[in-house]
Amino acid sequence: ETGVTQSPTHLIKTRGQQVTLRCSSQSGHNTVSWYQQALGQGPQFIFQYYREEENGRGNFPPRFSGLQFPNYSSELNVNALELDDSALYLCASSLAGLAGAGDTQYFGPGTRLTVL
Amino acid sequence: KQEVTQIPAALSVPEGENLVLNCSFTDSAIYNLQWFRQDPGKGLTSLLLIQSSQREQTSGRLNASLDKSSGRSTLYIAASQPGDSATYLCAVNTGNQFYFGTGTSLTVIP
Repeated sequence: ETGVTQSPTHLIKTRGQQVTLRCSSQSGHNTVSWYQQALGQGPQFIFQYYREEENGRGNFPPRFSGLQFPNYSSELNVNALELDDSALYLCASSLAGLAGAGDTQYFGPGTRLTVL
Repeated sequence: KQEVTQIPAALSVPEGENLVLNCSFTDSAIYNLQWFRQDPGKGLTSLLLIQSSQREQTSGRLNASLDKSSGRSTLYIAASQPGDSATYLCAVNTGNQFYFGTGTSLTVIP
């Protein structure tokens, strides 16, 4: 059984650029959630995808968008990068969606994004 | 809007001591609450998941309790070890969003 993987591990971009982060969910999981974690803070929920559909969204602007593929892997896209987007981006996979059976979330190691 | 608070923000204890970490949330309408551990610069590792209908969960030296009506959860760590040093986060699932606290940074001194 493979765990949750994310790529790349580190990324440096400049303001205004666009970035795509990738996440492969744990085998058998159909739900992927994305989080932004600023230094010294708890993760902030960006959105969740369940069976290729967005299934919940936090308080993030539309320039944060995502996709989930038929194999349940996922991408997070951020357009028009701002300095405050610098953070650790985490994805988590689970068997159930937000209001499902409440399955445990399994987190990947994260992508560290630096915006200069 | 749900707000999750963790107290204390940091804690330092000698090895072998029992300790309690606290998590409070403002809206009791939750599906479940989960405790995680995070090592510096790393992802999160799930420790315990408590459904809204449950009062507690145990795993090894860890015991988590949930009092939904008062909006509180505690994580009890017995016989602490230096390897327990990490940041501990709680998160509530409200059915349309997950909310995390800012964590408690635990240092266990050998």
